[in-house]
Amino acid sequence: LAKTTQPISMDSYEGQEVNITCSHNNIATNDYITWYQQFPSQGPRFIIQGYKTKVTNEVASLFIPADRKSSTLSLPRVSLSDTAVYYCLGVPLYRNAGNMLTFGGGTRLMVKP
Amino acid sequence: NAGVTQTPKFQVLKTGQSMTLQCAQDMNHEYMSWYRQDPGMGLRLIHYSVGAGITDQGEVPNGYNVSRSTTEDFPLRLLSAAPSQTSVYFCASSYQGAEQYFGPGTRLTVT
Repeated sequence: LAKTTQPISMDSYEGQEVNITCSHNNIATNDYITWYQQFPSQGPRFIIQGYKTKVTNEVASLFIPADRKSSTLSLPRVSLSDTAVYYCLGVPLYRNAGNMLTFGGGTRLMVKP
Repeated sequence: NAGVTQTPKFQVLKTGQSMTLQCAQDMNHEYMSWYRQDPGMGLRLIHYSVGAGITDQGEVPNGYNVSRSTTEDFPLRLLSAAPSQTSVYFCASSYQGAEQYFGPGTRLTVT
């Protein structure tokens, strides 16, 4: 199971672009890189997922280099409401009884006015 | 769809008591999981299931039991509550792999 490493915390200001990098040196061939967002007192919420290159949706972009040993979540023009914890994990697309998902400590993003 | 529902929202137990945390989903998802989250920490997987009748242990299974008799329900049983089990418990479901849908959580305090 892929172990991921992320910065513990980051600060930003409203309107800035925020990039959170996750290291996953032993990512498995079948694993997708998946990011979740968690607000206080709520369960995590899926943000974005990708395998290689770049994926973009209405919330974020995800950049994954060819070697797949790291990935970068990009949040364009953050607002105060983006203050949350962001988790990166490697997820097999097809899970069986041997696949566990592991959420690490995540990155605590604080957006300031 | 109601998504993933959890009951109760809050619970206080005395040491040694037992209880069941309920989790239900109406999305016909195969995979369901239970996590606990201690203050300021990430989520830790307790037990999970990849389909009705199939369950397996996660990272921190001791003190908890699960069963999966139907696709919709995945209850978590605390056998003999201990103060170390004070935490927020999240249930999640997904179809196959990545996008898990989480419930609102149950905040449990054991005194």
